[in-house]
Amino acid sequence: KAGVTQTPRYLIKTRGQQVTLSCSPISGHRSVSWYQQTPGQGLQFLFEYFSETQRNKGNFPGRFSGRQFSNSRSEMNVSTLELGDSALYLCASSLLVNEQFFGPGTRLTVL
Amino acid sequence: ILNVEQSPQSLHVQEGDSTNFTCSFPSSNFYALHWYRWETAKSPEALFVMTLNGDEKKKGRISATLNTKEGYSYLYIKGSQPEDSATYLCASPNSGYALNFGKGTSLLVTP
Repeated sequence: KAGVTQTPRYLIKTRGQQVTLSCSPISGHRSVSWYQQTPGQGLQFLFEYFSETQRNKGNFPGRFSGRQFSNSRSEMNVSTLELGDSALYLCASSLLVNEQFFGPGTRLTVL
Repeated sequence: ILNVEQSPQSLHVQEGDSTNFTCSFPSSNFYALHWYRWETAKSPEALFVMTLNGDEKKKGRISATLNTKEGYSYLYIKGSQPEDSATYLCASPNSGYALNFGKGTSLLVTP
């Protein structure tokens, strides 16, 4: 069974640009969550999607958005990039509420 | 938002040593406690999900206990091996699928 995949794995952008990251969940999983990890911080919850609807949102500015497609694949978008957005972005897919399977992450560097 | 704290921040032990880490969380409105192992350049891997006070789970040389009344969980590794070197994360749900993570304990096991 294929795991959670994320593309791209690495990305370099400059301040002010926007970026879109993609996450393909495990087949059959309908919930996709996104997390951000910056140096010195734990994983911070961004948002969670289920059946194309955002169910939960973390404490991030409106520049961070996401969506989920009918095949459960999810994308997150960050507009007007800032240096502080440099981070590892992880997505996780779930079938049941008490299990989350993580992807390898996308490393975003903002110059 | 639940405050999840982990200690120590990092740990360096010799092969064969046994070790343990602590995860503390607010005991009110407890739902579940997750432990993950995160090796460098890999995805976080779920170790345990614990829900009941007094729960004790074991996976090989790794075990965990849970005290929901006082708000802490311990993770134990018996006879540490170099392959146990990783960051160990604990997390508790804020709501539904949104996990609130601690900053992790980074374990280094040297031969």
